[in-house]
Amino acid sequence: EAGVAQSPRYKIIEKRQSVAFWCNPISGHATLYWYQQILGQGPKLLIQFQNNGVVDDSQLPKDRFSAERLKGVDSTLKIQPAKLEDSAVYLCASSPGGIAEAFFGQGTRLTVV
Amino acid sequence: EDQVTQSPEALRLQEGESSSLNCSYTVSGLRGLFWYRQDPGKGPEFLFTLYSAGEEKEKERLKATLTKKESFLHITAPKPEDSATYLCAVRASGSARQLTFGSGTQLTVLP
Repeated sequence: EAGVAQSPRYKIIEKRQSVAFWCNPISGHATLYWYQQILGQGPKLLIQFQNNGVVDDSQLPKDRFSAERLKGVDSTLKIQPAKLEDSAVYLCASSPGGIAEAFFGQGTRLTVV
Repeated sequence: EDQVTQSPEALRLQEGESSSLNCSYTVSGLRGLFWYRQDPGKGPEFLFTLYSAGEEKEKERLKATLTKKESFLHITAPKPEDSATYLCAVRASGSARQLTFGSGTQLTVLP
């Protein structure tokens, strides 16, 4: 079974530039998560989708971050404009739904200079 | 607000020296406690799910246990390849059923 796919693996941008990350979840998984993980910390939830609807985006900085899930499958997370403090690993995870465990992709390491 | 606290932050063990990692949680209606392993530069890898107090799960040298307030990850006779960061997460009741993570315990097993 294929896992969660993310791209790119690494991205370096200057502050005030924009960037987008892509995620393809495990086939059939209804729930998709985007997490931000700063070095030395645990993952922090940014947004959670159930199929193609948002169920929680309370910790998403909506003035600069946006996310969408197309047709309940792939998802993109965008940052515009980026700040230095956005430097982190962005993790995508998917779950069949309900109370099942989530499975993570390899993440995208973003460096803002 | 759901809270997850892991201790210690870092742990160094000699190969074969057994120990335990702690995960304390405060959540309104636990709907699952999850343990993950994270290697440097990789995403978290799922290890265990525990749903109710008294439940235990085992996998090789790892054993996870759950009480009403905390979970332990016991590591028996660890090997250097067990070195990683171990993350604990909880899922609460409610419509969104968010997955909230602790900050992790960085385990180093020395040969």
